[in-house]
Parts: sequence; C-alpha cells; structure tokens
Amino acid sequence: AQSVSQHNHHVILSEAASLELGCNYSYGGTVNLFWYVQYPGQHLQLLLKYFSGDPLVKGIKGFEAEFIKSKFSFNLRKPSVQWSDTAEYFCAVSPTDSWGKLQFGAGTQVVVTP
Amino acid sequence: NAGVMQNPRHLVRRRGQEARLRCSPMKGHSHVYWYRQLPEEGLKFMVYLQKENIIDESGMPKERFSAEFPKEGPSILRIQQVVRGDSAAYFCASSPPDGAEAFFGQGTRLTVV
Repeated sequence: AQSVSQHNHHVILSEAASLELGCNYSYGGTVNLFWYVQYPGQHLQLLLKYFSGDPLVKGIKGFEAEFIKSKFSFNLRKPSVQWSDTAEYFCAVSPTDSWGKLQFGAGTQVVVTP
Repeated sequence: NAGVMQNPRHLVRRRGQEARLRCSPMKGHSHVYWYRQLPEEGLKFMVYLQKENIIDESGMPKERFSAEFPKEGPSILRIQQVVRGDSAAYFCASSPPDGAEAFFGQGTRLTVV
C-alpha cells in the first residue's frame, strides 16, 4: 500500500536550533517528492521538490532536503530556525506523470520559541 | 497573478443540505485537484480534473460527492445531503499542463451542524 510517514507530529525548539523532520514513503514506481509548509491562517506553500538529479535539494527560506533512495526517505533540514518558521510541515509524494495527485503525510507541527 | 481562489472560506450547513465549494485556478492552469483534510489528519486526494473532464476520481467517496470543471467558470465540488462526518477543510490546487508544481488555495472550511 502507498503511504507517506512523518516521524514527528509535534516539534518544539528554540530559535537558532537546527531542525530535521523525517519523512519516509512507500510507493510503487518512480515518484516526485515535495515538502510543503502551512503557516498559521495561510495556504499550503511549496518549500522544495525533488524530481531527479542531485539528491540534495535546496528550497526557499534556507530549507534543504535529502533524498536517500535506499531508505525511501526525504528528510527536511534547516540549520538554524527562526520564530517565523513556526508552521505545519507536510511531506508529499506524487507519481511522476501526475504532478498534482499528491499523497501527503499527516504533517508535523513545528513551534519555534523565541 | 492571483493565486488559486476558493470560496467561500467558511461554510456552515445543516445535515441534509447541499454544499457547493468553488475553486478558480490560477491563470493559465488547466488542471485542478481537490483535497480534503479531516481534523488531525493530512490532506487526502479526492479528484483530479481538467477542463470538462474528470481524470482521476479515485479518492472521491462513492456517494453524495461530485466534482466538475466546466469550460467556463470555476471548478465546483458538490456534496449532497451533508453529514457531520463531511466537516473538514477542503483544498483546491491547480497546475499548468506542463508544470511540476501544484499551487494551493486557502481552503474552504465546511462545518455541518
């Protein structure tokens, strides 16, 4: 069965701490991988995406993610978080021929304290 | 360039009524996707439409739910005879034919009382 699993439901950390959010997927065939973010009261925004090539992907706002094919993982990282990174983060996968048919993880609520 | 527009933002319906949710894709986007987010859960794919065609409705409940994307006008997600379990946030996303990113609207929060 296809699935996307995010390791943590809630993460609380202080400003300047490093952030790593885990994401594993189970999906038949080749996939595209995404991380989306939803700031309070706002719509989902794309942080970064991986289709092929360099498995280390850099996104907006200092985020990056690494695709490890052997582990079916696509973990999100940021070396030093800010209070404004407080948001919910969603990992998602899609088939390569249907960009918008995304399967999402349950999300990780990240709270950054000043 | 306006983003994906959904309306209404909030919708309250009594059990048994109909709910109609609208989604206007971004300019130039011909692909529309609907998702549902139940409380404490991630978004679940419902349906994928192109103009006048349903491409993939594998995530749609078999009864009471329908979607359309007419040649003119917004995409509509229609829920007939709503029940309490339909209470959720419904998100629409759009993408261009050759794009590799789906842009999301702000969602419609449906509450069934």
